[in-house]
Amino acid sequence: GAGVSQSPSNKVTEKGKDVELRCDPISGHTALYWYRQRLGQGLEFLIYFQGNSAPDKSGLPSDRFSAERTGESVSTLTIQRTQQEDSAVYLCASSFFLGDDGYTFGSGTRLTVV
Amino acid sequence: AQTVTQSQPEMSVQEAETVTLSCTYDTSENNYYLFWYKQPPSRQMILVIRQEAYKQQNATENRFSVNFQKAAKSFSLKISDSQLGDTAMYFCAFMKPNFNKFYFGSGTKLNVKP
Repeated sequence: GAGVSQSPSNKVTEKGKDVELRCDPISGHTALYWYRQRLGQGLEFLIYFQGNSAPDKSGLPSDRFSAERTGESVSTLTIQRTQQEDSAVYLCASSFFLGDDGYTFGSGTRLTVV
Repeated sequence: AQTVTQSQPEMSVQEAETVTLSCTYDTSENNYYLFWYKQPPSRQMILVIRQEAYKQQNATENRFSVNFQKAAKSFSLKISDSQLGDTAMYFCAFMKPNFNKFYFGSGTKLNVKP
């Protein structure tokens, strides 16, 4: 597609429920990233996929968080047993193999846990 | 570890005037990349300007320019002839080569007043 597409745009969920967030990267971008942005703060790295290599999961805050990506296509970020502190905007981005020219970001999913 | 500091949570500027946003960072790396991203209310992160640390010449993109002081680990963004559309959050970010992971500052909210 023309840009990085994320869905849903907004999600309200009850504490304890599981949620799935989706990211469609730009076609041809081998690298895909998930970041979390809490209110009034900068972006925190969560996870990075590069082609078929093992993902860099070093930023996932707990084992309630997981992400999958098949090849160079869609990725899903799953948060199990959501907590109120999970409320944030979750931003996805993609890039060609090396991201040092900068990524292309999506518009994010705003997750609110009530 | 790499850290990025933006000491100005919020700034205001009159339309058509010039404003400078500050950013400092801490790293032991000699080569790296620095970025400024703009985040309007749409939430999408938009790349404003990029600087390679091994280049002494300051990057410029139309009304946007940087003052890169490598020894001082400072990377400020100057916006000339400010426009209402420049109103947004601005984030400074650092990336190591081949590392594909950003370290972001906490952001500066810029208000351009008519």
